[in-house]
Order: sequence, then C-alpha cells, then structure tokens
Amino acid sequence: DTAVSQTPKYLVTQMGNDKSIKCEQNLGHDTMYWYKQDSKKFLKIMFSYNNKELIINETVPNRFSPKSPDKAHLNLHINSLELGDSAVYFCASSQGSLTTGELFFGEGSRLTVL
Amino acid sequence: AQSVTQLGSHVSVSEGALVLLRCNYSSSVPPYLFWYVQYPNQGLQLLLKYTSAATLVKGINGFEAEFKKSETSFHLTKPSAHMSDAAEYFCAVTLNTGGFKTIFGAGTRLFVKA
Repeated sequence: DTAVSQTPKYLVTQMGNDKSIKCEQNLGHDTMYWYKQDSKKFLKIMFSYNNKELIINETVPNRFSPKSPDKAHLNLHINSLELGDSAVYFCASSQGSLTTGELFFGEGSRLTVL
Repeated sequence: AQSVTQLGSHVSVSEGALVLLRCNYSSSVPPYLFWYVQYPNQGLQLLLKYTSAATLVKGINGFEAEFKKSETSFHLTKPSAHMSDAAEYFCAVTLNTGGFKTIFGAGTRLFVKA
C-alpha cells in the first residue's frame, strides 16, 4: 500500500499546453508539499498546504496552481508550459509535529516539455 | 537565512571502505537536521534525523551522523560501504515557521567501486 502516490509518473507535452499532477497520501498527515527537482538534482520547495490551507508559496510563477480538496490530496496544475518547467515534481507529506518535520515522498512525476 | 552546504557533489569509495559525506548548515534557531537518500528513479526516503536529543544519531542501513553545534556540521558516515549504498544523498534542515519548511543541500552522489 503506497503511502504517498503521484500520477502520472511521466508526462511528455508540448510548450504552451496545460497539465496536472495528482497526489494522494494515506498516512493521515496534516501537511502536504510540492517540490521541484531540476536536472542537477537540486530540490526546491514550491508549495505547502496544511489541512487544505496554503501556508508556503515560494515565489512560484502563477502558472502553477496547487489545489487541495482535502488534507489527503494535493494536486498541481500547470498552465502554458515552458521548456524550463521540465523537471521531476515530488509530492511529500509530513505530520506537522514539532518533534519531527520528517517528509514522506512520492516517487515523483517526470515532466518533459518539448 | 537558513542554508545547507554539502561538500562534494560526487564521492567515490571502494566497497568495504569508510563512507563520509559532509554537511554544514546555517540556522538562526536550533534546527532539525536530516539525511535523505534517493535511489535512481525513486523519491527520497529518510535515512536518519537529529531533533535535539542525542548528538550521535543512528539511521537505517548502518549509517550514522553526528551533530556538532560548534562546527555547524552534520556529517554522515558508514564504516563499510556496500554496493547497494550507491545513491544520491541529501542533507536537509527543517524549520518550523508556522509550517514546516525543509531546505535541502545540493546532494552528494555516492559511487561504490567493487
């Protein structure tokens, strides 16, 4: 039973298109995140939601719009895709406890923009 | 501002040799520190964490790390490398700023030679 699952695992699309990535966690965590990993493996936080409320938005272009219908789901919609959006996008969750902050990651969604 | 620096983007060791991956951090508040491992085409998984208890932390697969406040370091070690340890390793610092925000180092790719 996968703890944090993302779909799709691979997306290949043309510039200017719109795409969505879905994420679900069955860990009962309160907080979910989107991270972007570039071709050099550098990981950068994009968004964080706590109980469906946006709490971190790291100067991401407004072409990226996260949506959290409930605390177990966090989706990412990207409009007008650009070449520079090519990356691996990771969803993660955490309990939000003061004693941990440990992140549980999905397997990633590799987006290739042509 | 908080940051994480990993010294060496690539480290190569022989099977059975000591593994040492270096991490230095800067944080204005006591940090939570983590090491994550990423195997090819997978998400990150937690190796070990420091949360202000014991300064020597033991993790999975025989890895351990020592928190040294005076040196602002959290280096990862393993006495004897195994071929299966070949992966990308990320040091991370997590802060609670009204929501957990984790900042990752640039990663160190570990190669293990037979």
